[in-house]
Amino acid sequence: NAGVTQTPKFQVLKTGQSMTLQCAQDMNHNSMYWYRQDPGMGLRLIYYSASEGTTDKGEVPNGYNVSRLNKREFSLRLESAAPSQTSVYFCASSEGWTLADTQYFGPGTRLTVL
Amino acid sequence: LAKTTQPISMDSYEGQEVNITCSHNNIATNDYITWYQQFPSQGPRFIIQGYKTKVTNEVASLFIPADRKSSTLSLPRVSLSDTAVYYCLVGFTGGGNKLTFGTGTQLKVEL
Repeated sequence: NAGVTQTPKFQVLKTGQSMTLQCAQDMNHNSMYWYRQDPGMGLRLIYYSASEGTTDKGEVPNGYNVSRLNKREFSLRLESAAPSQTSVYFCASSEGWTLADTQYFGPGTRLTVL
Repeated sequence: LAKTTQPISMDSYEGQEVNITCSHNNIATNDYITWYQQFPSQGPRFIIQGYKTKVTNEVASLFIPADRKSSTLSLPRVSLSDTAVYYCLVGFTGGGNKLTFGTGTQLKVEL
């Protein structure tokens, strides 16, 4: 039982390049989330998916797109990376979609945009 | 959305009890209070959750007064490995998009 896995662990992009961050969970959870964490800051929600086939915007969705490919996988895409998107990205999942449901986090992807 | 206020940092020594208080004056009737722990270069990890009074698990205790306008996370006999950032979250039971972690409390435990 691997929990929540993320790939890649590290990535360096040039401004304007695109990439997709992958996330998968093997806990049969319904909800999945993407957060970003800037240095010295708390986590901010980018997008979430309350159930398979649905996605919705969080606090900071601009510049990102997401796909809930199936119940296990939730990807985050940067179409045209900008230096302001340099951050650590965390994926999480939970059984339900409320704050009462414990979220389980992946190890993170450290992204640098030059 | 209930805004939370926590101390930015706290220092302690091994073996001591640490209490971190979170203020949430505009907590709503249906809100739960949840605490997460984050080590450097790792994702947050759930510690404890409560609605009222006291909750205890193998890691920590959570004290919530009757008015629920604040809560206190209590870590008994801390060790160096408890050095981490602790986040207090207060939010709706029906709104995943309302999650706000804030900047948390940096706890530093020394020998």
